Amino acid sequence: QVQLVQSGAEVKKPGASVKVSCRASGYTFITQYLYWMRQAPGQGLEWVGMINPSGGSTTYAQNFQGRVTMTRDTSTSTAYMELSILRSEDTAVYYCARGVFGYSHFDSWGQGTLVTVSS
Amino acid sequence: DIQMTQSPSSLSASVGDRVTITCRASQTIGVYLHWYQQKPGKAPKLLIYAASALHTGVPSRFSGSGSGAQFTLTINGLQPDDFATYFCHQTDNTPHTFGQGTTVEIK
Repeated sequence: QVQLVQSGAEVKKPGASVKVSCRASGYTFITQYLYWMRQAPGQGLEWVGMINPSGGSTTYAQNFQGRVTMTRDTSTSTAYMELSILRSEDTAVYYCARGVFGYSHFDSWGQGTLVTVSS
Repeated sequence: DIQMTQSPSSLSASVGDRVTITCRASQTIGVYLHWYQQKPGKAPKLLIYAASALHTGVPSRFSGSGSGAQFTLTINGLQPDDFATYFCHQTDNTPHTFGQGTTVEIK
């Protein structure tokens, strides 16, 4: 079955960077886009961006332009999201999710990675 | 960006009740609207995609309707496992956007 497994929780200081991984299994990695969202404590979901694992092209939300980089390693079926110049407002659970071709709905999600930014 | 307005933000209901949640988009999005269920500390789970298609394995008491800019999620015969937060998600345009969520609580 399709599985997305994310890396573990991180604690970072303001100004630092964090890189979260999302390892996919149970399907052909390059056939479906992967998306990243975040959810601050007690808040709704915020779309961060997306990556096409086949060619590596990316689209980022305007709010994150210049601070986020999404990459992938097709040899390990793993996607990465790196967020730099962290501030306290970036404290959130970060999720990856697989988008189904066509309507781009998310049929499988990672378990989430808590990123805490604190001095 | 497309704004998704979901209502109500929370509701109290009893087992067996019929529950309706509404999501309104700030512009027309066809049927590029999906519904998810989320429980505390867990990742969301897909319930309905393309406004009205039931995801594999989701009980038939869940249904979705609507098109354009107004959408509804209905739970017919609320079960104990259904007490959770529900939110809508549009994929017509990037950035994708989400409703703020509706928390269904036990009355």
